[in-house]
Amino acid sequence: DGGITQSPKYLFRKEGQNVTLSCEQNLNHDAMYWYRQDPGQGLRLIYYSQIVNDFQKGDIAEGYSVSREKKESFPLTVTSAQKNPTAFYLCASSIDQPASGYTFGSGTRLTVV
Amino acid sequence: AQSVAQPEDQVKVAEGNPLTVKCTYSVSGNPYLFWYVQYPNRGLQFLLKYITGDNLVKGSYGFEAEFNKSQTSFHLKKPSALVSDSALYFCAVRDNTGGFKTIFGAGTRLFVKA
Repeated sequence: DGGITQSPKYLFRKEGQNVTLSCEQNLNHDAMYWYRQDPGQGLRLIYYSQIVNDFQKGDIAEGYSVSREKKESFPLTVTSAQKNPTAFYLCASSIDQPASGYTFGSGTRLTVV
Repeated sequence: AQSVAQPEDQVKVAEGNPLTVKCTYSVSGNPYLFWYVQYPNRGLQFLLKYITGDNLVKGSYGFEAEFNKSQTSFHLKKPSALVSDSALYFCAVRDNTGGFKTIFGAGTRLFVKA
């Protein structure tokens, strides 16, 4: 079955450490997205990519970085510059058309220890 | 700028009763509107969408949504709620100006009591 796989499901980060969240899709979707979810704040866009080797900052990109070397993969790195990284991170993909909905992964819960 | 608002943080209904989860939007041009549902510690799942055509849109799990252009609303409805419908519901509007980003509302938590 086609879908999006996020790993790991749970991740713990120490102060000053960079961590990378994985997102892989086999839906042949061109566009991929990273969202951060905090209680009561809905989803906030971190980065998105509409095509391989190209990506744009979303609303809260500071302290995060991404790459899009393959169509299937869109990893997110949470750097030490992100001062409040504890959150639930969601990856999504879609056909690159405005009438298309998103397919989401099952999320990664990141906690600073 | 495009935006979407969900005026209720939570909605409580009894099982078997009809439910409504409210959503209003602000867009330039024709709106592309979506509803998603999220169960605990899971990603969002697509429920339904309005692109054009009939104002009443039918989706998954017996849900439907009514598009009202004059009131700029897109309320989610179900004639008879189930306990298993208890979840977090998100309304969303997709950028129709070429950017293809989606803006999500803050979410409404639905509680269905047995």
